[in-house]
Amino acid sequence: GENVEQHPSTLSVQEGDSAVIKCTYSDSASNYFPWYKQELGKGPQLIIDIRSNVGEKKDQRIAVTLNKTAKHFSLHITETQPEDSAVYFCAASITGGGADGLTFGKGTHLIIQP
Amino acid sequence: DAMVIQNPRYQVTQFGKPVTLSCSQTLNHNVMYWYQQKSSQAPKLLFHYYDKDFNNEADTPDNFQSRRPNTSFCFLDIRSPGLGDAAMYLCATSRDGGHSSVEAFFGQGTRLTVV
Repeated sequence: GENVEQHPSTLSVQEGDSAVIKCTYSDSASNYFPWYKQELGKGPQLIIDIRSNVGEKKDQRIAVTLNKTAKHFSLHITETQPEDSAVYFCAASITGGGADGLTFGKGTHLIIQP
Repeated sequence: DAMVIQNPRYQVTQFGKPVTLSCSQTLNHNVMYWYQQKSSQAPKLLFHYYDKDFNNEADTPDNFQSRRPNTSFCFLDIRSPGLGDAAMYLCATSRDGGHSSVEAFFGQGTRLTVV
């Protein structure tokens, strides 16, 4: 089955700086890669996703890059703000639509220092 | 408005006493999932329903069962909860559109405590 590795487990950055979280996956058949933000006591919320036919996607301060050859993808958050503090999970799915469920990385606790 | 609703938000059950967690959705999505998330860990898929078809993950214990009486509702039954089953249980839905966007929407979760 699919295995997703995520690094770092904890990331502390100064407010206004950029944050980068990296993930690798094992199954070359995976072709859908979402990123979720989870705040304490809440369910994960999708913040951005990318499919294998695209190398990069941006949404305001958030961007995701995908390198299919190397089987890794990254989340980039620019101009970080205190409300960005949360746990971020990457995930991968083998089916194009993710209908068979997601395999998650272990999460990154992002701390924004004021 | 909440689109995936889980009840209750917090559930305390006794060791060995059957417990049922519920999930409802207003999105009319054909796929519903149950994930288990233990403290400081990633969500782990237990099983999912694709329409009425039940799909169990290979390593999901038999102690966990699920029912989906209609499109909107899905239940997670834990037949004999053990201390190791204490976790956050997350329900999610998606619409399988082949290669089109099928974002998974998560509920707020039910935190289960076993005493």
